[in-house]
Amino acid sequence: DAMVIQNPRYQVTQFGKPVTLSCSQTLNHNVMYWYQQKSSQAPKLLFHYYDKDFNNEADTPDNFQSRRPNTSFCFLDIRSPGLGDAAMYLCATSQGTSMFFGPGTRLTVL
Amino acid sequence: AQSVTQPDIHITVSEGASLELRCNYSYGATPYLFWYVQSPGQGLQLLLKYFSGDTLVQGIKGFEAEFKRSQSSFNLRKPSVHWSDAAEYFCAVVFTGGGNKLTFGTGTQLKVEL
Repeated sequence: DAMVIQNPRYQVTQFGKPVTLSCSQTLNHNVMYWYQQKSSQAPKLLFHYYDKDFNNEADTPDNFQSRRPNTSFCFLDIRSPGLGDAAMYLCATSQGTSMFFGPGTRLTVL
Repeated sequence: AQSVTQPDIHITVSEGASLELRCNYSYGATPYLFWYVQSPGQGLQLLLKYFSGDTLVQGIKGFEAEFKRSQSSFNLRKPSVHWSDAAEYFCAVVFTGGGNKLTFGTGTQLKVEL
C-alpha cells in the first residue's frame, strides 16, 4: 500500500545531542511537511518542501533543519535538542489539497 | 485574521448516543475544510473533507460533516458513537491563496462511556 513511513517511531536523545528523524513516502507526492505536536496540542507546521523548494515557517527555531534529497525522502534534523523539543513529530505529504500523515516519531529528550 | 476554532476541548458521550463536534473558521472566503482523528500515540487519519459542492459530506467510520457558510462552521457528526471512537479530533483548514498549508484547530478530546 502507498503510504507515509516514519522511522524510528520512538527516539530518545540527550540534551544537546543532534538527532535526525526520517520520513519516506511511496505516494510520489511533490509536497512534504514536518509538523511538531506537543502533548495535548494541535500540530504545528515547522516547514515544508514543494519539490526541492524549502519553505520555513517564520517562527520555526533555527535549531530545526530539514533535507529532502529526493522525492521519496525527507529528514528533520534537530541540531541541539532541548527539553522543550520533546514532542511527536509528524511527517505529511500532499498532492493537490489532500494531506496524508505518517504515524509520527515520538521524541524524548533526557 | 484567519483562524479555526474548536470550542469544545473535551466531550463525553455514552456509547450509542449521537455526537456533534463543532468547528468554526474565520476567513473572507470559503476555505478547504477537513476533519482528522488521532488515536493516542498515533498519526492523523483523514475522516472527511470539503472543497465545494454538496454541503453534507460523508466520511469514513460513519462520520459526516455539514458545511454552513452562514455560520462559518463545519461540524462533525455521527448518529451512534462506538467505544472505539474515543480519540482526539482535529478540524483543519487550508486557507486558499495561502499555499497548501493546513491550519489545525486545538482539537476536541472525545471520551466514550460504556
